[in-house]
Amino acid sequence: NAGVTQTPKFQVLKTGQSMTLQCAQDMNHNSMYWYRQDPGMGLRLIYYSASEGTTDKGEVPNGYNVSRLNKREFSLRLESAAPSQTSVYFCASSEYRMQTQYFGPGTRLLVL
Amino acid sequence: EDKVVQSPLSLVVHEGDTVTLNCSYEVTNFRSLLWYKQEKKAPTFLFMLTSSGIEKKSGRLSSILDKKELFSILNITATQTGDSAVYLCAVLVSGAGSYQLTFGKGTKLSVIP
Repeated sequence: NAGVTQTPKFQVLKTGQSMTLQCAQDMNHNSMYWYRQDPGMGLRLIYYSASEGTTDKGEVPNGYNVSRLNKREFSLRLESAAPSQTSVYFCASSEYRMQTQYFGPGTRLLVL
Repeated sequence: EDKVVQSPLSLVVHEGDTVTLNCSYEVTNFRSLLWYKQEKKAPTFLFMLTSSGIEKKSGRLSSILDKKELFSILNITATQTGDSAVYLCAVLVSGAGSYQLTFGKGTKLSVIP
C-alpha cells in the first residue's frame, strides 16, 4: 500500500500559468481533501470531496478548482497562478468524513 | 469562527526530558480532536480523542481530552532526538452536513542530545 501519493513533489510556475496537482489513494477511502500549509498559518482546507461525485469548498477555495475523477483520485487545479498561492499543498483521505485523515507527502509550489 | 490554539509555539528540551504540549479550542459542533506529528513531510496520525478523561497511549506518547474545559494535552516522556517535529492539533467539527478539520498552528519541538 502506497497510501496517499501526490505529484509533482515540487513545481515552479510563473504568475498566470496554470497547473494541476494530482493526488491518489489506494486505501479505498471515500473522502479526500486538499490543504495548503503556510508558515504561521497552519493547515487550511481548500476543498474536499466527501464521496465520489461530490466536492465542496473549504476555508480558502478562491483561485482553485477540484475534480474527483474517481474514488481513488482527487486533483487540484490552479487556473491562473498567483504569488499568494506559493505554499505546500497536502492531499489527505479518510474512510469517511468523520474519521482520521491520512496525508500525502505534499507538493511544494513556488509561483514567481 | 472555529479556533484551535496550541502552546507553546516552540520548545527546546534535552533528551530524557518530559514535555507537555497544549491544545485549546473554541468550536461549534465538536466531534473529535486529533494529534498529528509532522517531520519534514506529511503529518502522520498519532491519536484521535472523542471522550473526556480517557487517556490514549502509544509508547512514550499519551494524550487526554477535557471537553468541559475545551483542551487537550499531549505528553511525551523520556524524549529522544527522533521526537523532534512539529506537533499539530486538529479539531473535527460538523455542520450543515459536512465535517471539517480545523488545525492549530503547531508546536515545534526540538530535542537536543
